[in-house]
Amino acid sequence: KAGVTQTPRYLIKTRGQQVTLSCSPISGHRSVSWYQQTPGQGLQFLFEYFSETQRNKGNFPGRFSGRQFSNSRSEMNVSTLELGDSALYLCASSLTAPSSYNEQFFGPGTRLTVL
Amino acid sequence: QQQVKQSPQSLIVQKGGISIINCAYENTAFDYFPWYQQFPGKGPALLIAIRPDVSEKKEGRFTISFNKSAKQFSLHIMDSQPGDSATYFCAASGASGSARQLTFGSGTQLTVLP
Repeated sequence: KAGVTQTPRYLIKTRGQQVTLSCSPISGHRSVSWYQQTPGQGLQFLFEYFSETQRNKGNFPGRFSGRQFSNSRSEMNVSTLELGDSALYLCASSLTAPSSYNEQFFGPGTRLTVL
Repeated sequence: QQQVKQSPQSLIVQKGGISIINCAYENTAFDYFPWYQQFPGKGPALLIAIRPDVSEKKEGRFTISFNKSAKQFSLHIMDSQPGDSATYFCAASGASGSARQLTFGSGTQLTVLP
């Protein structure tokens, strides 16, 4: 079974631009979560989607948004990029509705560099 | 209350030794505690996880010990190998509300010397 795929793997943008990242979950998985990973802040939760609905949102500004499609694929968008948005953006999928036994499987991430 | 504190930040162990990484949490709503292993350039990979109804779980060379009253859990890697050199993250999540997403520790960079 194929794992979580994320595209693109690497991205370079300049301040003020916007970017869209894509995630395809493991086949059959309906929940997708996004995380930002930086050396200073570690792994921080962005948002979680299940059945095209945002179920949970982390403490990030409104410039960060996402959506999920009917095939469970998800995209996240960052508008008006800032230098501090440079990070590894990770997508994770899980099988069922989010629950306390939230076994999540991560993709390889998209490395975003903002110049 | 959402924080998960992880220590040490880095760890160097000789091949064949035991690696021990500790985590502590405050949110009593947490009831799922996974450990992830991350190699450079890769996403975190689920290594082993425990639920609070047991105090220990072992899978191969990896063991999680869980102390519910102390709100602490730890990862033990027995017979550590150079291939185990990676960054390890503990995490926790709960059943409802804001606790439902995974809250991660800050990570431990493990180096196993040959």
